[in-house]
Amino acid sequence: EPEVTQTPSHQVTQMGQEVILRCVPISNHLYFYWYRQILGQKVEFLVSFYNNEISEKSEIFDDQFSVERPDGSNFTLKIRSTKLEDSAMYFCASSEAPGLYGYTFGSGTRLTVV
Amino acid sequence: KNEVEQSPQNLTAQEGEFITINCSYSVGISALHWLQQHPGGGIVSLFMLSSGKKKHGRLIATINIQEKHSSLHITASHPRDSAVYICAVGSGAGSYQLTFGKGTKLSVIP
Repeated sequence: EPEVTQTPSHQVTQMGQEVILRCVPISNHLYFYWYRQILGQKVEFLVSFYNNEISEKSEIFDDQFSVERPDGSNFTLKIRSTKLEDSAMYFCASSEAPGLYGYTFGSGTRLTVV
Repeated sequence: KNEVEQSPQNLTAQEGEFITINCSYSVGISALHWLQQHPGGGIVSLFMLSSGKKKHGRLIATINIQEKHSSLHITASHPRDSAVYICAVGSGAGSYQLTFGKGTKLSVIP
């Protein structure tokens, strides 16, 4: 069964450093998402991406965050200057047609900011 | 903004028991999703519902749109069903972001 692949599975970074989280969505999917889950809390929406542009973003997704689809397969989330409160599990998801088929989630990247 | 509430928060069951997890939401939706999160953290999609009932193996999901309520049932529960079960809703109207509940942690004891 096709999978959404996320790398790395775990990243530790110093506060103030830039991090890039990588995702390879399912190849025929057109809609891409990033969610995050702070330890012990519920999953929160960050951003959705369609047709090479952001279609929706939450209040969490401020100027420190950016997304990119640099080639035909990767979808990345960049955090420019990490803060302690950015420590969370970050999930990538993709969908062929979310209103019809739902979503496939990746296994997550655990980001720890020290 | 949709509020998604799940109950119970924690559930311990003996192997073989019938399990029900409930989800309610505050605003009309386009679809409701049941998801499973294992201890390693990965999220697996179980069901997407906009009406009625769906069944997959020992899992059954139902939704009542008028009452804004959904249930996830697990028949003949097994220790491998131990996980966090999460309800998430999509609001539709051109938005495809999901709003998540806090999850129900299920432990099935042999």
